[in-house]
Amino acid sequence: GAVVSQHPSWVICKSGTSVKIECRSLDFQATTMFWYRQFPKQSLMLMATSNEGSKATYEQGVEKDKFLINHASLTLSTLTVTSAHPEDSSFYICSARSRVSSYEQYFGPGTRLTVT
Amino acid sequence: KQEVTQIPAALSVPEGENLVLNCSFTDSAIYNLQWFRQDPGKGLTSLLLIQSSQREQTSGRLNASLDKSSGRSTLYIAASQPGDSATYLCAPLTGTASKLTFGTGTRLQVTL
Repeated sequence: GAVVSQHPSWVICKSGTSVKIECRSLDFQATTMFWYRQFPKQSLMLMATSNEGSKATYEQGVEKDKFLINHASLTLSTLTVTSAHPEDSSFYICSARSRVSSYEQYFGPGTRLTVT
Repeated sequence: KQEVTQIPAALSVPEGENLVLNCSFTDSAIYNLQWFRQDPGKGLTSLLLIQSSQREQTSGRLNASLDKSSGRSTLYIAASQPGDSATYLCAPLTGTASKLTFGTGTRLQVTL
């Protein structure tokens, strides 16, 4: 149980285009989902926290107009990178917190974004 | 602001050795602490979750301890195997913000 999926697993896009990444909790309801980014050989940095049905809360320094987050249901959150640039190339990982578990977070397999 | 440090940054051991990974954090007001492993280019796999009221948690060859007051946790791996090679991350959940803060990880290599 407690499986989180992400789609796509990798994506290459041209500079200036937008890319949408999906995060799904497959076998549990997630009241809260989190989006992280990870640069090579670095740790995970939290970008934003989203609660189902409400606006995401962004961490300091993360542009909310560039990284659009939608958490429309208890099993789906999406991250859209708008007008992507090469510096947005990174590994994006989502996680989900179950409404019944004691704050344990389950992580997706990640999405590798390359902007050319 | 919570800060997490993991020592050592990298570790190489021969198969069969027991080893200890260390994690320290600056804000002791945590709700719990999770240990994860990350294989190259992959997401995170949760290994152990230890509640703030617990001192230890065990799963198979893994044992995590927590000393909340001193801001420390250790992950003990018994009888290491090549399949244990990965980066190990600790992440305390800070009580007030309910956010995980990640350390920079320990990159473990278990050799034959």
